[in-house]
Amino acid sequence: QVTLRESGPALVKPTQTLTLTCTFSGFSLSTSGMCVNWIRQPPGKALEWLAVIDWDDDKYYSTSLKTRLTISKDTSKNQVVLTMTNMDPVDTATYYCARISYYDSSGYGMDVWGQGTTVTVSS
Amino acid sequence: SYVLTQPPSVSVAPGQTARITCGGNNIGSENVYWYQQKSGQAPVLAVYYDSDRPSEIPERFSGSNSGNTATLTISRVEAGDEADYYCQVFDTSSDHPGVVFGGGTKLTVL
Repeated sequence: QVTLRESGPALVKPTQTLTLTCTFSGFSLSTSGMCVNWIRQPPGKALEWLAVIDWDDDKYYSTSLKTRLTISKDTSKNQVVLTMTNMDPVDTATYYCARISYYDSSGYGMDVWGQGTTVTVSS
Repeated sequence: SYVLTQPPSVSVAPGQTARITCGGNNIGSENVYWYQQKSGQAPVLAVYYDSDRPSEIPERFSGSNSGNTATLTISRVEAGDEADYYCQVFDTSSDHPGVVFGGGTKLTVL
């Protein structure tokens, strides 16, 4: 059974750096075709993709946020970490991690999602 | 960067057919994915590769993709289908490849 779980602070202050961890089980990020994405959703708004890291350690970022984001993986711990610098109240959102298993049937579809973690940016 | 356009809302009576569109430049040449997100829950993959369904998704859900429009069709709509629906592509055409989501469509079952 594949699961992902997000963890991190519920509250951060403006200008601080946010660090989120996605801990997963049921697959290995060293397996060809595996990717983990970060997506966020402000309250009442649409999904916004942030970043992805793949089995080969390739990393891609949202064009609008790339200067603030860093994604990394620890394959031995089955974790993917996202850092976002210079947090602002507009970054208040639920943050999700989700898997892509490209060589399985669903291609670039995110077939398993975490439950999400809510982050509020406020002083 | 690539832009996907969805209508903000679609309303349909129970038992009828709902069609949710996703517009993009030559989207027919892309693989389109659709997600269902019920209130307070994480999204769920509903359609992949334009028209394939995960085994847990009812056969009432289908997809198509041609030209500049992809469509998610939900037949015999039920009250439990009320949710937000998002289309998605993986844009490999630009200098900055990445995932693109549409703005989402709220499906209301009357």
